Amino acid sequence: DADVTQTPRNRITKTGKRIMLECSQTKGHDRMYWYRQDPGLGLRLIYYSFDVKDINKGEISDGYSVSRQAQAKFSLSLESAIPNQTALYFCATSDNQQGPDEKLFFGSGTQLSVL
Amino acid sequence: GNSVTQMEGPVTLSEEAFLTINCTYTATGYPSLFWYVQYPGEGLQLLLKATKADDKGSNKGFEATYRKETTSFHLEKGSVQVSDSAVYFCALSDYTGGFKTIFGAGTRLFVKA
Repeated sequence: DADVTQTPRNRITKTGKRIMLECSQTKGHDRMYWYRQDPGLGLRLIYYSFDVKDINKGEISDGYSVSRQAQAKFSLSLESAIPNQTALYFCATSDNQQGPDEKLFFGSGTQLSVL
Repeated sequence: GNSVTQMEGPVTLSEEAFLTINCTYTATGYPSLFWYVQYPGEGLQLLLKATKADDKGSNKGFEATYRKETTSFHLEKGSVQVSDSAVYFCALSDYTGGFKTIFGAGTRLFVKA
């Protein structure tokens, strides 16, 4: 089984719909992240959480919200989806003991298409 | 703020050719530097890292040296294989960024048999 699991793998939705992407991990890491990947732009950070009670905005948080339900679960929501949110979304985790050497562990991604 | 710039792709090489993918960075602190690789249909995985100036990271025949004077961390491999075809991301992390990892745009590599 994968250490970082994202569901669904693919999703097609319509403009204005609310959608949730889910991430769960079995690595026991405190830190969890949501990134989106767009061609030519690399990965950009949406939100991150360093523990269950900690939620922080990344560089592109507008239009998104998150929930850290437990150490192992971190969900990303699009309250009212729009076409420019079409992208590949990645959840990642890291061990807070590593400091600046932190290695990120990624899920397999969720391809979201907003029509 | 912190940023990472890497060469645009795609890069197309024949098998056994020499690979260089350039990466430069801007950081206010003393970052750790990373190369991640993304194979088709998968998430990113760490390829190698270096945590201080003049360190060389290496893995699977790939190498990169942390050059503080030129703020660079170029990825090299002496002889590429078809299985190296992937997207390669340069990245950095440091305490001034709250230990968040910042990624470059990625460079797609195609290796032909």
